[in-house]
Amino acid sequence: QKEVEQNSGPLSVPEGAIASLNCTYSDRGSQSFFWYRQYSGKSPELIMFIYSNGDKEDGRFTAQLNKASQYVSLLIRDSQPSDSATYLCAVNRGGGSNYKLTFGKGTLLTVNP
Amino acid sequence: ETGVTQSPTHLIKTRGQQVTLRCSSQSGHNTVSWYQQALGQGPQFIFQYYREEENGRGNFPPRFSGLQFPNYSSELNVNALELDDSALYLCASSLDRGSADTQYFGPGTRLTVL
Repeated sequence: QKEVEQNSGPLSVPEGAIASLNCTYSDRGSQSFFWYRQYSGKSPELIMFIYSNGDKEDGRFTAQLNKASQYVSLLIRDSQPSDSATYLCAVNRGGGSNYKLTFGKGTLLTVNP
Repeated sequence: ETGVTQSPTHLIKTRGQQVTLRCSSQSGHNTVSWYQQALGQGPQFIFQYYREEENGRGNFPPRFSGLQFPNYSSELNVNALELDDSALYLCASSLDRGSADTQYFGPGTRLTVL
């Protein structure tokens, strides 16, 4: 089982719709969870991080965490063509290993005008 | 702009050669991490340096080595290049070694090994 798995893409949504991106992780010791956006040919850009169970909202983005199910998701409301990118889920174990981010493969999102 | 810079932008090497990639951290950040991102994959952690000492290493062979300097700039060195080393190499600086939520990536160096 891979450490961090993301729903296979590509994901295509119409402009204005809600895009839902999912991620599961295998290490129950994971403490911190991150969503990065990566445009083609560019480096990852941090969108959100979440530490506690529940929802965290920032503008059009909502991160959801369920540690019991080892599941984290990202919802993008009112999707825009500029949201078209690869979204990377990353987890951090915390404690003595808190230096390392473990990434999933990413999900390619296309928002169609 | 994250304030993290990397050089060069692109690099082409042949198998067996050695390469040095450079990173300049954001001002005030004492920690730098290096990641390798192969095409179609997520970044993979290579190692981290905190105040000039290695602070953790991923599953990469010893031919991947690094340095961090007193001004917090850093280098990634790869010896005996292999074809599979072709990837985007990313450095990320953070305020402190435990601050994954302040980890900002540089633009990356695209390495091609022929």
